[in-house]
Amino acid sequence: EPEVTQTPSHQVTQMGQEVILRCVPISNHLYFYWYRQILGQKVEFLVSFYNNEISEKSEIFDDQFSVERPDGSNFTLKIRSTKLEDSAMYFCASSRQDYGYTFGSGTRLTVV
Amino acid sequence: QKEVEQNSGPLSVPEGAIASLNCTYSDRGSQSFFWYRQYSGKSPELIMSIYSNGDKEDGRFTAQLNKASQYVSLLIRDSQPSDSATYLCAVNGNAGNMLTFGGGTRLMVKP
Repeated sequence: EPEVTQTPSHQVTQMGQEVILRCVPISNHLYFYWYRQILGQKVEFLVSFYNNEISEKSEIFDDQFSVERPDGSNFTLKIRSTKLEDSAMYFCASSRQDYGYTFGSGTRLTVV
Repeated sequence: QKEVEQNSGPLSVPEGAIASLNCTYSDRGSQSFFWYRQYSGKSPELIMSIYSNGDKEDGRFTAQLNKASQYVSLLIRDSQPSDSATYLCAVNGNAGNMLTFGGGTRLMVKP
């Protein structure tokens, strides 16, 4: 069964440092997403990406965040200057259209 | 502000019983509805989707949608201990593919 692959599985970074979270979506999917889940809280939408551009973003997705699809397979989320409150599980997901997403296994980001 | 509400639980049922999980949503224009299962420390896993009023069955799972009442539910028949997880309701509005998640209901199936 096709999978969404995320790396790394766990990242520890110091406050103020830049991090890049990586994702390989399912190959025939057209829509890509980043969500995050702070421990014990809801899964929250960050951004969606379609046709090489951002199609929607939430209030959380401020100027510290950016996404990129640098080649035909990878999809990345960059946080420029991490804050303690950025500590969360970050999930990448992809979908063909409105058929429900497939989520990756997540990257646990710990900002110290 | 689009809201999706779920009882956080835990909902405890004996093995073999029917578990009933409920979800309400605020955006009347919502079009698509999903149930995800999330084991502790893992990512959400899609188990059911429903798009029109009524029931949709898939194996031991039945999703029910009532758009007039803005209510969606998930029934799990013959519950197994392996069904113990948090069940997330997610709703897609009428524009874009963004999902709004509820906080989840923790289900515990006791052997």
